[in-house]
Amino acid sequence: GIQVEQSPPDLILQEGANSTLRCNFSDSVNNLQWFHQNPWGQLINLFYIPSGTKQNGRLSATTVATERYSLLYISSSQTTDSGVYFCAGANQGGSEKLVFGKGTKLTVNP
Amino acid sequence: ETGVTQSPTHLIKTRGQQVTLRCSSQSGHNTVSWYQQALGQGPQFIFQYYREEENGRGNFPPRFSGLQFPNYSSELNVNALELDDSALYLCASSRSEWAEAFFGQGTRLTVV
Repeated sequence: GIQVEQSPPDLILQEGANSTLRCNFSDSVNNLQWFHQNPWGQLINLFYIPSGTKQNGRLSATTVATERYSLLYISSSQTTDSGVYFCAGANQGGSEKLVFGKGTKLTVNP
Repeated sequence: ETGVTQSPTHLIKTRGQQVTLRCSSQSGHNTVSWYQQALGQGPQFIFQYYREEENGRGNFPPRFSGLQFPNYSSELNVNALELDDSALYLCASSRSEWAEAFFGQGTRLTVV
């Protein structure tokens, strides 16, 4: 199955700073999602983005499918952005559905 | 539109016991997937159900089994619980096998 690598594993920012999180895949993916896991464990959908660029408020994401990576941008970060960010992908040739990375733990300090 | 709901939210079981976790899919979704998330790790795929049939399975032993009902809700059953089964169990539903997945709040299982 595919392997998913996220970087950096940990990120500490001051409120108002911008950040970029990266996700690399070992093989092409047909389904790619970004999530934010809240302190209670629920995965909140951020983007469904197998290719291209999408924006939602202060967050945007870009997937370059041919080069097997995706980026999540957070601008003007707020303390409420803190938490763990996961990317996950699926390859229709594999038996597993979504394969997750290990996550990026973001801490935004006031 | 009702989202994905899971029950119970927390559960404590003894090693060797059996447990059943439940998941109601989002309206309009016919596919349910289950994931196990150990502390500090990303979720790992257990299996998926599509139209009441198992449709893909991850690297989990047969003591992990499931069901999907005609209303597309689902159960995850784990027999002969082991200490390492302690984890957050997440259910996701989607419109089809490869469509965007939406997750419930999870069930936190502790095996003692």
